[in-house]
Amino acid sequence: DVVMTQSPLSLPVTLGQPASISCRSSQGLEYSDGNTYLSWFQQRPGQSPRRLIYRVSNRDSGVPDRFSGSGSGTDFTLKISRVEAEDVGVYYCMQSTHWPPWTFGQGTQVEIK
Amino acid sequence: QVQLVESGGGVVQPGRSLRLSCAVSGFTFNNYGMHWVRQAPGKGLEWVAAIWYDGNYKYYAESVKGRFSISRDNSKNTVYLQMNSLRAEDTAVYYCTRSYYLDSSATPDYWGQGTLVTVSS
Repeated sequence: DVVMTQSPLSLPVTLGQPASISCRSSQGLEYSDGNTYLSWFQQRPGQSPRRLIYRVSNRDSGVPDRFSGSGSGTDFTLKISRVEAEDVGVYYCMQSTHWPPWTFGQGTQVEIK
Repeated sequence: QVQLVESGGGVVQPGRSLRLSCAVSGFTFNNYGMHWVRQAPGKGLEWVAAIWYDGNYKYYAESVKGRFSISRDNSKNTVYLQMNSLRAEDTAVYYCTRSYYLDSSATPDYWGQGTLVTVSS
């Protein structure tokens, strides 16, 4: 199984400042079709997960452009250009290249300083 | 709008069974594969099971293989998770989520609000 490792696990940030979360996979995530199936999900307190990013860097509909994804191979990053109060929550990366199983990172808790 | 509504959770004794349902609306159910993903209290997300849009392929996490069974009824726009021989470690919020049938990665997008399953004597 592909192991997804996120860092940091806790990320205190100041409002208006940038934030960055790293996600590393135990195997390369490029699929035979040339796509890389790495997604990012946000889970606000008390809510169900919401997909923010798919295929490394594609934002889902309605996702603010302050969220961006990048990376390739085994190293990926989610960046928030200017953190807002509504961004508090846990962020998960997930790989869907080598399935089953579909595997998630441990999650990164983003909180306001 | 897209809606996925889970039901069937509750408190159950170890070794007993429970069936979860996820009723969907707002999209063409037949065009989507479905997954169950769970989250133990205070923990992260764990994929549990997936079923293809036509029901022909099913996949399970090793932790539930042989005990859980996923199925769907396309006439009722509903996906099910039959959970047998439940253990304390199955205690979690269970979410259903969908993935588009033309997406070869079956990456989930929309999620339901979840239903809590507590396995305890």
